[in-house]
Amino acid sequence: GENVEQHPSTLSVQEGDSAVIKCTYSDSASNYFPWYKQELGKGPQLIIDIRSNVGEKKDQRIAVTLNKTAKHFSLHITETQPEDSAVYFCAATPTSYDKVIFGPGTSLSVIP
Amino acid sequence: DAGVIQSPRHEVTEMGQEVTLRCKPISGHDYLFWYRQTMMRGLELLIYFNNNVPIDDSGMPEDRFSAKMPNASFSTLKIQPSEPRDSAVYFCASRGTGGSYGYTFGSGTRLTVV
Repeated sequence: GENVEQHPSTLSVQEGDSAVIKCTYSDSASNYFPWYKQELGKGPQLIIDIRSNVGEKKDQRIAVTLNKTAKHFSLHITETQPEDSAVYFCAATPTSYDKVIFGPGTSLSVIP
Repeated sequence: DAGVIQSPRHEVTEMGQEVTLRCKPISGHDYLFWYRQTMMRGLELLIYFNNNVPIDDSGMPEDRFSAKMPNASFSTLKIQPSEPRDSAVYFCASRGTGGSYGYTFGSGTRLTVV
C-alpha cells in the first residue's frame, strides 16, 4: 500500500521568510496530492491540492510542486505570517480517489 | 452548512466501558471517513463508507471497534470494551464526489480512557 514520508518534522522560520515542506510517496499509481493544515484543537483543513497531470499549482502565498518521476511533492509558503503556525500534513491518494494516506506531519512555527 | 459535526468533543471513560462517538457529515457528501490521531501513529484511517456502505475497514484495530452508518446524515464509532491505549483524538471527515476530492474534517472527539 501507499506510504507517505514527510520532512522536516519541525520547522521554525522568521516572519516574512519562506517555508518548504517536502514529501515522498511510494505508490507510483497515486495521482492526487492534497495538503492539510491543522491548528491546535481543530481538525485538519484542506489548503491546496494537486493532481498528477499538473506539475505546479499556486494559490496566493502557497504553492505546491510535484515530480512524479521522483515521487516527490513539496509545499512552499512565502512571506510567512504568525497565523501560518500549525501542523501541515501532506497526503497521497491511490487511483481510486477514495481514501487518503497522510504523512506524519510538520509542525511549523513562525516567529514574529 | 455547519460543516461536519462530531459529538462529544471530549469523553473520559473508565477502562472496560463502552464508548460511542457520533458524526454528522455535510449534507450531500456521500463519503464518510473515521480517522484516529495520536502522537505516535499520526492520522490513521480506521474505516470509510460510500453511500452508507462500509468500503474498507482494514484500519479498524480490533474487534472491539465497530462503525455504522444507518443513514446519510449519521455515523457512529463504537469501542467496547474500551482500553487506555484507545486514548486518542478521533476525527470524522466527509467528501462529495463532484469537484474537489478534499475532505472536510470535524473538530474531533478527544477520548481519554482511564
